[in-house]
Amino acid sequence: AAGVIQSPRHLIKEKRETATLKCYPIPRHDTVYWYQQGPGQDPQFLISFYEKMQSDKGSIPDRFSAQQFSDYHSELNMSSLELGDSALYFCASSSGTGAQPQHFGDGTRLSIL
Amino acid sequence: AQKVTQAQTEISVVEKEDVTLDCVYETRDTTYYLFWYKQPPSGELVFLIRRNSFDEQNEISGRYSWNFQKSTSSFNFTITASQVVDSAVYFCALSEAGTSGSRLTFGEGTQLTVNP
Repeated sequence: AAGVIQSPRHLIKEKRETATLKCYPIPRHDTVYWYQQGPGQDPQFLISFYEKMQSDKGSIPDRFSAQQFSDYHSELNMSSLELGDSALYFCASSSGTGAQPQHFGDGTRLSIL
Repeated sequence: AQKVTQAQTEISVVEKEDVTLDCVYETRDTTYYLFWYKQPPSGELVFLIRRNSFDEQNEISGRYSWNFQKSTSSFNFTITASQVVDSAVYFCALSEAGTSGSRLTFGEGTQLTVNP
C-alpha cells in the first residue's frame, strides 16, 4: 500500500538559511499534519491542514510556514534557521477527523550547522 | 489541555518475557481517541492501534494486547513473549474526536530493549 512520502530524507543547512520540506500524503487522504521531533523527545505538533485549509496550529515558530496544495501535498517552509531547528520532521496524513489514525512518513532529518 | 504520561522511560527485558507499557492520559473531552505508535531504531513512526473513548473492550492482536480503563484514564500495552525485534520506542498518544486535523498529543515515550 502507498505510504506518506517525504522529501528530502536528509537535509543539511547552515544558520540563517532557508529550507523547504515536502510531503505527499496517502492517496485519498485529505488531512496533512506536521510534527517536529528533537533528539530523545516525543513528536511535537506543528500544524495541520484539512482540505487545503489550516485546521489546527501548534507550537510552530513564526519563521515557519506551511500550506497544502490542490493536489493535497504539503510543504513546510523554514526560514532564518537556527541550531535548535535541528530535528526529525514528520509529516502524517489521515482521512477526515481525529477518529482516523495518522499515518506517518519516514521523516526528514534536518541538521543545522 | 490534553496530556499523556508514560512514566516508564526505559524498560529492559530478556527475550520471551512479557512486558507492559503504561500510559495515563488527561483530557476534558468526553469523546477522544487513544493510539499507540512504535518507533524502531530506523526512526519511522508505525501506527499500532486506535481506541475510542466509548469502547473499553480490550483488544488482542497476536502478541500485542491493550487494556483501556476509563475509570483510571489508562491505556496500557502488553507484549507477550517479547522478541528482539520488539526493541523500539513506544509512544502513547491522544487526539480529540470529530475535528478534522486534530493534533496528536504524545507521551514522552518508553524505550523498550529486548535482550536475547
